[in-house]
Amino acid sequence: GAVVSQHPSRVICKSGTSVKIECRSLDFQATTMFWYRQFPKQSLMLMATSNEGSKATYEQGVEKDKFLINHASLTLSTLTVTSAHPEDSSFYICSASLGDSTDTQYFGPGTRLTVL
Amino acid sequence: AQKITQTQPGMFVQEKEAVTLDCTYDTSDQSYGLFWYKQPSSGEMIFLIYQGSYDEQNATEGRYSLNFQKARKSANLVISASQLGDSAMYFCAMEDSSYKLIFGSGTRLLVRP
Repeated sequence: GAVVSQHPSRVICKSGTSVKIECRSLDFQATTMFWYRQFPKQSLMLMATSNEGSKATYEQGVEKDKFLINHASLTLSTLTVTSAHPEDSSFYICSASLGDSTDTQYFGPGTRLTVL
Repeated sequence: AQKITQTQPGMFVQEKEAVTLDCTYDTSDQSYGLFWYKQPSSGEMIFLIYQGSYDEQNATEGRYSLNFQKARKSANLVISASQLGDSAMYFCAMEDSSYKLIFGSGTRLLVRP
C-alpha cells in the first residue's frame, strides 16, 4: 500500500511554455499532498501544501502564480509550471500522507524538468 | 524554528558491516515525528523508518534501526549488514506541528564490495 505515482517522469520544454505534472495516490485517499523541489546535490525544499478542495498553501518565496497547484480530488494533485524558464529546471517530487497516526509521507518517483 | 542537521556529507562502509548515519534536530515542540528516507540515484524517496517523540522504544524495520536519544536530540539511523544496494543518499526529516517535513542536507552512503 501507500503508492504514489507521478507523471511525466521527464519533460523537456521550451522557455515560455507551461508544463503540468500530475501526482496520484494509487491505493489510498490523500486530503493533503505536498510538492517539493530538489536541485542537484541538495536536499528537498517544500514548495507548497496541496489541500483537496481548497487553495494550496505556498512556502515563503514560492510564486503561487508561477507554480499553480490544483487538488481536485482525493487522489490527484497537479502542479503547473507556467511560463517556464531555464532556472525552473529542477527535480520536482510530490508526496502524500496516509493520514495515520505517524503522518508518514510517501513520495512519488519525481519529475525531472528541463527548460531549454 | 525547527532544524535538522546531518553532519556527514559522505560515508563509506564495507559490505556486510553496520553503519550509523547521524542526525540531530532542534525543535521546541513536545510532540514531533522523525523520519529517515533513502534516495537512490533514480531519485525516488523511499520511506525507511519512523520514530515518534513519545515512543519509548527505538524503532526498528528489518535491517534499519533508529537510535533515538531524546535528551540529546539525536535520531541516528543504523543500517546493519550493509548491502551494495544500500548505496544511496539518506535524508533525515522531522515533521513540524503543521505536518510539514523538514529535511536535513543528506548523507551519501557508499557500500564497498
